[in-house]
Amino acid sequence: GESVGLHLPTLSVQEGDNSIINCAYSNSASDYFIWYKQESGKGPQFIIDIRSNMDKRQGQRVTVLLNKTVKHLSLQIAATQPGDSAVYFCAENIKAAGNKLTFGGGTRVLVKP
Amino acid sequence: DAGITQSPRHKVTETGTPVTLRCHQTENHRYMYWYRQDPGHGLRLIHYSYGVKDTDKGEVSDGYSVSRSKTEDFLLTLESATSSQTSVYFCAIRAHGQNYGYTFGSGTRLTVV
Repeated sequence: GESVGLHLPTLSVQEGDNSIINCAYSNSASDYFIWYKQESGKGPQFIIDIRSNMDKRQGQRVTVLLNKTVKHLSLQIAATQPGDSAVYFCAENIKAAGNKLTFGGGTRVLVKP
Repeated sequence: DAGITQSPRHKVTETGTPVTLRCHQTENHRYMYWYRQDPGHGLRLIHYSYGVKDTDKGEVSDGYSVSRSKTEDFLLTLESATSSQTSVYFCAIRAHGQNYGYTFGSGTRLTVV
């Protein structure tokens, strides 16, 4: 079946640099996308979301970009900090399928001091 | 996580025994979900609920059953635990009519020996 996936399983980044986490999705009917952050031993935590009628949304130090032409989603973290070390998941929602989220496999971000 | 509690946090059980995990919410949210998280598979939906006594299967429902007799509680039961059900289980909630993002609990780590 169609699913959400991620390109890079592990991303190492220097503290203070920007991070970019990528996600590919295959279902053109997806109408809503979310990025989650999961720290060790904790549940996923909502970071930022974007609707399919948008191509960019900004939050505090984070930006999500959506390219529907190539079915690609990215999360940009500005000035990465040690507290950003975690696993990041993208998720897609398909309203027609009952609004259940489908999650990608996750990318681990390691911030080097 | 505020408003959602999973119990127990950790459990070790023997193959063939029944196990019940509990998810309790104080948010009065309509939708509740059970996911399992395994290395290499990300988060996979087991069962979900649209309301009291209204449940449905997710993508990996074999070997699991659920019950929701009250809005605040969503129980996941492994009728006869197997080693393949060793995993971390997450409950999530979502309010009706709002954005589609879920709020996750802290998880239950289940080991079947």
